[in-house]
Amino acid sequence: GEDVEQSLFLSVREGDSSVINCTYTDSSSTYLYWYKQEPGAGLQLLTYIFSNMDMKQDQRLTVLLNKKDKHLSLRIADTQTGDSAIYFCAEKAGANNLFFGTGTRLTVIP
Amino acid sequence: DAGVIQSPRHEVTEMGQEVTLRCKPISGHNSLFWYRQTMMRGLELLIYFNNNVPIDDSGMPEDRFSAKMPNASFSTLKIQPSEPRDSAVYFCASRRTQGPGQETQYFGPGTRLLVL
Repeated sequence: GEDVEQSLFLSVREGDSSVINCTYTDSSSTYLYWYKQEPGAGLQLLTYIFSNMDMKQDQRLTVLLNKKDKHLSLRIADTQTGDSAIYFCAEKAGANNLFFGTGTRLTVIP
Repeated sequence: DAGVIQSPRHEVTEMGQEVTLRCKPISGHNSLFWYRQTMMRGLELLIYFNNNVPIDDSGMPEDRFSAKMPNASFSTLKIQPSEPRDSAVYFCASRRTQGPGQETQYFGPGTRLLVL
């Protein structure tokens, strides 16, 4: 079955870059996603990448996909305290379902 | 658009009581998903509907849980009787299955359920 793995915690200093990593198992994944969850809130879609792409950039966010290694990363440039949240990686491997990782809690130190 | 709407936002109840969670998907979205989030298990898919029809309910924990979607703009998730281990945040999400945006699920704010 599908398995999506992420490290649980990441701490960075304000102004530095953050890199959150994710590995997945299903090579038939069509889309891969990054969601952000702030304390007490729902999941907010940050960005997604189609499986035939290697990279996608959206302002401070850069998504890199290594399909051969089934590795996805999210880089946040110039990390701000408002970026502190839990970041979920998810893959869409079937017609409808998303499979989520455990989430990475990003802490930004002022 | 108001996004996915869930109610109530918070629910505190006693063990054995019936709990009903409600969701209004984004207009035009014809897939609806119910998820549960706990510290121990993370985010779990409970059930999803396409065009108001339940497609996969394999994630529903047990017979105490039931979900309905009587029309395209409303779904309920019911727990009867509730137990303390049902305490979690329950999210509803929706997406369209055709056309622009079909690749994206949008989540509601969640219902925080505490069963005492």
